[in-house]
Amino acid sequence: GEQVEQLPSSLIVQEGASVLINCSYTDSASVYFPWYKQEPGKRLQFIIDIRSNMERKQTQRLTLLFDKKTKHLSLHITATQPGDSAIYFCSASLNTNTGKLTFGDGTVLTVKP
Amino acid sequence: AQTIHQWPVAEIKAVGSPLSLGCTIKGKSSPNLYWYWQATGGTLQQLFYSITVGQVESVVQLNLSASRPKDDQFILSTEKLLLSHSGFYLCAWSPRGGTYEQYFGPGTRLTVL
Repeated sequence: GEQVEQLPSSLIVQEGASVLINCSYTDSASVYFPWYKQEPGKRLQFIIDIRSNMERKQTQRLTLLFDKKTKHLSLHITATQPGDSAIYFCSASLNTNTGKLTFGDGTVLTVKP
Repeated sequence: AQTIHQWPVAEIKAVGSPLSLGCTIKGKSSPNLYWYWQATGGTLQQLFYSITVGQVESVVQLNLSASRPKDDQFILSTEKLLLSHSGFYLCAWSPRGGTYEQYFGPGTRLTVL
C-alpha cells in the first residue's frame, strides 16, 4: 500500500525564518495531496492541498510544490510566526470516492519569538 | 455551518473491557465519514471509512469495528480492549466524492490500563 515519508521530523527556527518540509510517497496512482496542521490542544486542520495535475499552489505564506516524476512534495512556509508552531502532516489519496488517506509521520515545527 | 462532535472526551478503561466511541456530524447530508487513530508522538492512521449509511470499510486491522447506523453518526467499538488501543481517536468528515479536504473532530483520548 501507499507509504508517505516526511522529513525532517522536527524543526526549530527563529520567528521570521522560512522553513521547508519535504514529503515523498510511493504509489504513483495517488492523485490528491492534502496537508494538515495540528496545533497543541487544537483540532487537526486542513491548510493546503494539491492535485497531481498541478505543480505549484500558493496561499498566503504557504507554497506547495509537487513533482509527479519523483513522487515528491515540499511545503514552504515563509515569515514564520510563533503561531505556526504545530505538527505538520503530509498525506496522499488515490482517485476514489472513499477519501482514504495515508499520512506521513508529521514534522514538529517550533517557531521561537 | 457543519459541526462535528465526538464523545466521550476521554476514557480510561481496563484491558479486556468493551469500548464504544461516537461521532456526530450536523449540518451536512450524506458525508463521507472516517475514523483515525493517533499514537502518542503524532502518527495518524486511518482505521475506517464510510461513504453511506450501513456501509463501512476497514483500512487496517486493529481488533476494532465501526458502524454507521445513521447518516450523521459513526460509532467505533470493540468487545475487548488491548493495551495497544491506547491513543487519540479522531473522527472526520468530507463531502461525498473523496478528494476533498477532511474536517476533523476534537478527538477522544483513550487510556487502556
